[in-house]
Amino acid sequence: GAVVSQHPSRVICKSGTSVKIECRSLDFQATTMFWYRQFPKQSLMLMATSNEGSKATYEQGVEKDKFLINHASLTLSTLTVTSAHPEDSSFYICSVRSDGNSPLHFGNGTRLTVT
Amino acid sequence: AQSVTQLDSQVPVFEEAPVELRCNYSSSVSVYLFWYVQYPNQGLQLLLKYLSGSTLVKGINGFEAEFNKSQTSFHLRKPSVHISDTAEYFCAPEEGGYNKLIFGAGTRLAVHP
Repeated sequence: GAVVSQHPSRVICKSGTSVKIECRSLDFQATTMFWYRQFPKQSLMLMATSNEGSKATYEQGVEKDKFLINHASLTLSTLTVTSAHPEDSSFYICSVRSDGNSPLHFGNGTRLTVT
Repeated sequence: AQSVTQLDSQVPVFEEAPVELRCNYSSSVSVYLFWYVQYPNQGLQLLLKYLSGSTLVKGINGFEAEFNKSQTSFHLRKPSVHISDTAEYFCAPEEGGYNKLIFGAGTRLAVHP
């Protein structure tokens, strides 16, 4: 069964609005979750590492004020795309790891379309 | 810095034929190596992983990969593909201890009847 649940699977929003994407770890507590972004026909780019109870670590070039990450519990991390623009349209995928040596488990992704 | 090259962006193949998807990485430190598969509009599913030990690793759906340290390669193979194997495949090394996967550009495997 699914290890990671991501919601919503698809969302369409108007330019200037904010959108929240949820990532839930179903089978284990996850102190760390990862957020990736995937452009059409391209690979995944790590955006940020979400740390439970502390600030997220953002990759170079990712605007932390635009992509707000909250990891308030051991099973939930949220990514909020603030003041969305059409260029934010993308496929966002979260992932979790049960322990340091285990592989990443991925959610099914969220297709964001900003009109 | 870690980098990964998937040498083929697309691989067309007929059903029941063998296939190899190539992956080369560069790293000056020990790595873990992963192959993931992505079906349309879905997240990624782990095919197989190499952490240590035997250089030939077997994964799900009949796939296997061989870690070659001298050539810094981790090519993915399947002796006989099915239509359902049509998907995007990503090679992803991870530098040991850094807890960060770096994804290759992906290889689109298209299996034709």
